[in-house]
Amino acid sequence: QVQLVESGGGVVQPGGSLRLSCAASGFTFSNYDIHWVRQAPGKGLEWVAIIWFDGGNKYYGDSVKGRFILSRDNSKNTLYLQMNSLRVEDTALYYCARTLTTGPSPYDGFDIWGQGTMVTVSS
Amino acid sequence: QSVLTQPPSASGTPGQRVTISCSGSSSNIGSNIVNWYQQLPGTAPKLLIYSDSQRPSGVPARFSGSKSGTSASLAISGLQSEDEADYFCAAWDDSLNGCMFGGGTKLTVL
Repeated sequence: QVQLVESGGGVVQPGGSLRLSCAASGFTFSNYDIHWVRQAPGKGLEWVAIIWFDGGNKYYGDSVKGRFILSRDNSKNTLYLQMNSLRVEDTALYYCARTLTTGPSPYDGFDIWGQGTMVTVSS
Repeated sequence: QSVLTQPPSASGTPGQRVTISCSGSSSNIGSNIVNWYQQLPGTAPKLLIYSDSQRPSGVPARFSGSKSGTSASLAISGLQSEDEADYFCAAWDDSLNGCMFGGGTKLTVL
């Protein structure tokens, strides 16, 4: 079935790095933009970043710009989020999510979500 | 503080109609489509309304969306206990070059 599965979360110290992965199956991954959205414990949703279907464009939220880097390998149906200079406030459940229609479609709703991977930044 | 403004809470009794507002600006709701998400406790968000007023297949017709100017609304008619959840609006912001979420509205079915 159509699904996204995140992995790579864990506990890291402030200033450390972590790489999250988002593996896709059940659809033509290379046709879709993918977003990352995070949710701090007990808080609302915060958009993190988007990478276009072909990797040609990437946009980041102000809170992660310059620290997080998105990439994708369409041959492996996998998306990567390299998280550097992590801060306590980056602690959250990180979701990857697919846009509703084939890309580029950054404005579209997110119709497929993963189950999320938890990132905890703590000393 | 979120770019899109939603009331933090809403409530209603079974069978009632409830509306949740989402206020933005000309760079987001005023120029781009609005999407709504429902998040049940302990689960990933689910797309509820897309393109201002369209329902994905499987979403009951009790859920409807509308937009006017720089504001949008989600209406739930015939409220049911299983509708108790958090609801988020979202829209792309052309000035910030990113997707903005509302702060979320916690709906309680009394």
